[in-house]
Amino acid sequence: EPEVTQTPSHQVTQMGQEVILRCVPISNHLYFYWYRQILGQKVEFLVSFYNNEISEKSEIFDDQFSVERPDGSNFTLKIRSTKLEDSAMYFCASRKDSTEQYFGPGTRLTVT
Amino acid sequence: AQSVTQLDSQVPVFEEAPVELRCNYSSSVSVYLFWYVQYPNQGLQLLLKYLSGSTLVKGINGFEAEFNKSQTSFHLRKPSVHISDTAEYFCAVSRQYSSASKIIFGSGTRLSIRP
Repeated sequence: EPEVTQTPSHQVTQMGQEVILRCVPISNHLYFYWYRQILGQKVEFLVSFYNNEISEKSEIFDDQFSVERPDGSNFTLKIRSTKLEDSAMYFCASRKDSTEQYFGPGTRLTVT
Repeated sequence: AQSVTQLDSQVPVFEEAPVELRCNYSSSVSVYLFWYVQYPNQGLQLLLKYLSGSTLVKGINGFEAEFNKSQTSFHLRKPSVHISDTAEYFCAVSRQYSSASKIIFGSGTRLSIRP
């Protein structure tokens, strides 16, 4: 069964560094999402992406964040200058045309 | 805007006992409803979803949920739990008829099963 994959599974970075989190959505899906979950808290929506542009973004998704689908298969989340509070689990999700979003296993980002 | 409230942050239950995890939502528009499960150190897995039709929805692992529009609730139930059901459970909604609809999650309920 096709699944969403994410790399790396765990990323450790120093405050102020740039990180890129990578996702490979299911191949025929059209809508792509990033969510994050700070340890012990609920899952929060960051951004949705469709037809090569952002459809919606949350207040969390400020100028430090960007998303890209560089080659038709990968979907990336970039954080330009990481802060301690960016430490979280980041989930990628994709959707075809039904209502169900399929989630990846997540990338745990630790900012030190 | 939509919001989801999970009234219980933790629910301890004995093995083979029934369980109900409560979920209420608020929305000014029609929504789809979901329950996701997150096992320790893993991602999110869809348990079940309500889109339309029958208000009783059956999902994986013996779970079911009932949509109650008048009470704006979508409680999750299982008649007999197992140790393997130990996990965090998230109720969630997304707006109907929205092409790129985000999912709004509740704060989660940690289900712990005692032998």
